[in-house]
Amino acid sequence: TQLLEQSPQFLSIQEGENLTVYCNSSSVFSSLQWYRQEPGEGPVLLVTVVTGGEVKKLKRLTFQFGDARKDSSLHITAAQPGDTGLYLCAGARAAGNKLTFGGGTRVLVKP
Amino acid sequence: DAGVIQSPRHEVTEMGQEVTLRCKPISGHDYLFWYRQTMMRGLELLIYFNNNVPIDDSGMPEDRFSAKMPNASFSTLKIQPSEPRDSAVYFCASVPNSGGLADTQYFGPGTRLTVL
Repeated sequence: TQLLEQSPQFLSIQEGENLTVYCNSSSVFSSLQWYRQEPGEGPVLLVTVVTGGEVKKLKRLTFQFGDARKDSSLHITAAQPGDTGLYLCAGARAAGNKLTFGGGTRVLVKP
Repeated sequence: DAGVIQSPRHEVTEMGQEVTLRCKPISGHDYLFWYRQTMMRGLELLIYFNNNVPIDDSGMPEDRFSAKMPNASFSTLKIQPSEPRDSAVYFCASVPNSGGLADTQYFGPGTRLTVL
């Protein structure tokens, strides 16, 4: 059982559509990160959220940390083929750098 | 600056053989993590080091796995003997220590291990 559950596991959409990926847990996290991984490469950090209710925007990507710091979402507006990849959420339970990763959401944006 | 360097990028071996994976972290980073990624289990933490000292090895599957960090610029993950179920992509990540809640993990490109 994953401590962090991501949904959906797979998402296929057309270019220009919007999408939302969810990351849920029954545990409280001190911070939560989102990474994107492309085939043949390691994950790359997109954002870190640390405050309950926090919203961060990165161009067409919007990240939200739940008020209770147990869940997070990633919303992509007007998706482009370059957004294709595996999106991973990762939570830290306490100060320090040990992360627990979710199972990942594989996103395919078709031109 | 060079990122995290892992070698080899691909390894194919036969069951029972010893496998050694290598990692060179980013200079100046205090933490080094070893992960394993499979389709079934996702990205799993195996072990991590702080200032070359192993801090948490609870993710190491069994005694066949061992990891060392003899100095700040080099770490190895060894599997002996290897088994087909060890087939996965193994990642190394290094992390600076800014004292914050969660610093960025910088991942290497991974080593794809296939055990026949």
